[in-house]
Amino acid sequence: GESVGLHLPTLSVQEGDNSIINCAYSNSASDYFIWYKQESGKGPQFIIDIRSNMDKRQGQRVTVLLNKTVKHLSLQIAATQPGDSAVYFCAEKKEGGKLIFGQGTELSVKP
Amino acid sequence: DTGVSQDPRHKITKRGQNVTFRCDPISEHNRLYWYRQTLGQGPEFLTYFQNEAQLEKSRLLSDRFSAERPKGSFSTLEIQRTEQGDSAMYLCASNDRVPYNEQFFGPGTRLTVL
Repeated sequence: GESVGLHLPTLSVQEGDNSIINCAYSNSASDYFIWYKQESGKGPQFIIDIRSNMDKRQGQRVTVLLNKTVKHLSLQIAATQPGDSAVYFCAEKKEGGKLIFGQGTELSVKP
Repeated sequence: DTGVSQDPRHKITKRGQNVTFRCDPISEHNRLYWYRQTLGQGPEFLTYFQNEAQLEKSRLLSDRFSAERPKGSFSTLEIQRTEQGDSAMYLCASNDRVPYNEQFFGPGTRLTVL
């Protein structure tokens, strides 16, 4: 069956360091991936997306890398700040627009 | 605030009772999605609407669950004869039909079944 999974449930980094959050997927035909950030008590918030015809996309302080050969994507956060503390999910968009989420990585930023 | 609102934000009920949640999407969005999220897990897709038509339902949506979007605007999700296993965060999201458009999530309704 289809699945999207994250490698580590928790990640702790020092403020100012770069963070890397990883995600693996199983379906080689997967076309579109999105990273979401979820803070406590809130709904998921869109961070950045990437289509399968790309291998890298950059936003403000964030970069998503897609490696279709090994079915892996990562989210890189530069100069991590306390406000980045949250749970991060990768998700795959399927037909009809529904999202299939992984389990999430909780990022903690130490001051 | 994403523009998607949900009501109530919290609901505590006793097992066996019926509950209904409401979602108001962003007004110009024709697609509306419901997800369920349990503690420590990612959201799981339940169902979605395009305008007033319910186009897909997950296997997770047992016959105790029903969702409507009667006028293609707000949506309701009803759970009948609630069970303790229904305790979760119920999230609503909306977007345009245009491919690759961002899906905006509401703050969720947290249901606790005692």
